[in-house]
Amino acid sequence: GAGVSQSPSNKVTEKGKDVELRCDPISGHTALYWYRQSLGQGLEFLIYFQGNSAPDKSGLPSDRFSAERTGGSVSTLTIQRTQQEDSAVYLCASSSHYEQYFGPGTRLTVT
Amino acid sequence: QQQVKQSPQSLIVQKGGISIINCAYENTAFDYFPWYQQFPGKGPALLIAIRPDVSEKKEGRFTISFNKSAKQFSLHIMDSQPGDSATYFCAASGASGSARQLTFGSGTQLTVLP
Repeated sequence: GAGVSQSPSNKVTEKGKDVELRCDPISGHTALYWYRQSLGQGLEFLIYFQGNSAPDKSGLPSDRFSAERTGGSVSTLTIQRTQQEDSAVYLCASSSHYEQYFGPGTRLTVT
Repeated sequence: QQQVKQSPQSLIVQKGGISIINCAYENTAFDYFPWYQQFPGKGPALLIAIRPDVSEKKEGRFTISFNKSAKQFSLHIMDSQPGDSATYFCAASGASGSARQLTFGSGTQLTVLP
């Protein structure tokens, strides 16, 4: 079946603009995670959704970051008033239990 | 407490050789230890994973060795091939409520020479 898909694959934005990144998880996976991969910080957890439960936002770096998951499926990560330090690859993963399967990521460049 | 330390940072081996990457963790609540392979421009791909109730798991040319008392685990790639050249990440997770977010090592860039 289809894997995790993310869009856009690349996004270039100006500092101060808002961006939305989309994730389509594997069908039937109830858990969805967002991670960020950057040269300086490596791979770091951002936020977790499980079914209809309240999300675990403990990894979000600032209140400019938010995410939602509609209908227990598609998720959108929103970054408001982007800063240059937000430049990174944003990865989405979905899971039905232990194993997490990653999408190809969205490369965000803030100029 | 949440760190996973990975070494070496980079590794060069000859085709047919054995590649060994090591990781150490501190949090004894971790109970799942996957390895991911990442090619440039791609997302991490799950390679192999182990639970702490076993000391070794083998899948094809890839083997995880796990030492619970030392809080260490390693990836062995037998008969390394140029196509194995990629970045490898170890990771660990443990239940935090229902969340099982992964804590990643810093990655090892493997180059297999033809």
